[in-house]
Amino acid sequence: EVQLVESGGGLIQPGGSLRLSCAASGFTVSSNYMSWVRQAPGKGLEWVSVIYSGGSTYYADSVKGRFTISRDNSKNTLYLQMNSLRAEDTAVYYCARVSYYYDSSGYQNPLYYFDYWGQGTLVTVSS
Amino acid sequence: DIQMTQSPSSVSASVGDRVTITCRASQGISSWLAWYQQKPGKAPKLLIYAASSLQSGVPSRFSGSGSGTDFTLTISSLQPEDFATYYCQQANSFPHAFGQGTKVEIK
Repeated sequence: EVQLVESGGGLIQPGGSLRLSCAASGFTVSSNYMSWVRQAPGKGLEWVSVIYSGGSTYYADSVKGRFTISRDNSKNTLYLQMNSLRAEDTAVYYCARVSYYYDSSGYQNPLYYFDYWGQGTLVTVSS
Repeated sequence: DIQMTQSPSSVSASVGDRVTITCRASQGISSWLAWYQQKPGKAPKLLIYAASSLQSGVPSRFSGSGSGTDFTLTISSLQPEDFATYYCQQANSFPHAFGQGTKVEIK
C-alpha cells in the first residue's frame, strides 16, 4: 500500500528555516517524480516544487531561491528545506507522488497528476 | 503562466442532483487536466486525469470532459459523501496551477 507521511511543520519566526520530511512506503521515492503542494489556511492549492527521478528540480517562482527539494534514497524520504520564511509561506504542506507512464521505449514519463498525497504538515510563520 | 478559473465558486445542491463544475484555462492545455476532491482537514484526492479518465476506485457518477481551454466535471447523482471542495489542475506546463476551488454544499 502506498503511503506518504509528512513531518517537520511548526511555528517559526519570519526569516527562519525549517525542513519538512515526507516518508514514503509502498514505492521507491528515487524511482518516481515527487512534488510538494501547499495550501494556505482557507485558501486553494499551490504547487511548490518537483524533483525528477533523475534528480532535476523545479520550483514555483514564489519559493525559488528560498526552498530546496531533495531526497534521501536510503531512507526513502523526500525533503523540503525552507529558508528565509515569510508570513505568506504559512500553509499546510503536502507531499505528493507525480503519476507517470512508460512509453514504448520503456522510458518513464511524468503525467504531472498527483495520484498519492500525504496527510499534510502545518507550517506557521509568525512572530 | 497558465491561469485556471473555476465556476461557480460554490454550489448548493441536494442528494440526487446532477452537478456540473467548469474550469477554464487561460491558454490551451490540450487534455492535460485533472480534477481533485478535498474534504475538510484531508488531503486532496485525484478523481479524473487527462480531462476524462476516471482514476481507479472513483465512482462512475464522476465524469470529466473538455479539451483546449474549457473543461467540466459532472457528478451525475450527488451522494452525501460528495459534499466537498473540488479543484481542477493543469498538467500541461510549469507551474502546474490549480483552480481556486468549487465548494459543493448541502441545499
